Amino acid sequence: DTAVSQTPKYLVTQMGNDKSIKCEQNLGHDTMYWYKQDSKKFLKIMFSYNNKELIINETVPNRFSPKSPDKAHLNLHINSLELGDSAVYFCASSEIWDSGNTIYFGEGSWLTVV
Amino acid sequence: KQEVTQIPAALSVPEGENLVLNCSFTDSAIYNLQWFRQDPGKGLTSLLLIQSSQREQTSGRLNASLDKSSGRSTLYIAASQPGDSATYLCATRGAGSYQLTFGKGTKLSVIP
Repeated sequence: DTAVSQTPKYLVTQMGNDKSIKCEQNLGHDTMYWYKQDSKKFLKIMFSYNNKELIINETVPNRFSPKSPDKAHLNLHINSLELGDSAVYFCASSEIWDSGNTIYFGEGSWLTVV
Repeated sequence: KQEVTQIPAALSVPEGENLVLNCSFTDSAIYNLQWFRQDPGKGLTSLLLIQSSQREQTSGRLNASLDKSSGRSTLYIAASQPGDSATYLCATRGAGSYQLTFGKGTKLSVIP
């Protein structure tokens, strides 16, 4: 059973479109994250939710909007896609932010904007 | 702001060699440090997590050490195998922070 699953795995879309990436975790964790890995392979956090509440919102364009309908899901919606949005987006989860907990990552969603 | 650096960016070794991957960080106020493995086209797999109060963690052929005062961690891989070929990332979790700060990774190639 996949602990953190995200869909779709691959997404090719045109500039200007709106798209969503879904994420679900079956680990019973309280905290979920979205990370972005750019073309230089650098992983940076975008958002974090704890019990459906937004707790981290890094400097990300307003076109990116996370939505957490429940503790087990954190979806990422992107409006008006731009070429620079092409990247791999990773969902992750962990137990409450206590220091002792490992973060588990999904397998990534490869977004290509053409 | 935390910065995590991993040197070298790429490393190629013959099978069977022992090797060390390096990670350094600028802010020693961390809760923990985690080592991940990333295979091409795949997500990240957590290898070892070291709490700030710990000096090292071991799992099989892997041993990770942490020296907070000097802002360094190493990942030691014993008797390397071709299956160890991957990119290895280290990441720190800051005190009172929910997020991980990642290095850019070291791409390891183990040559049969």
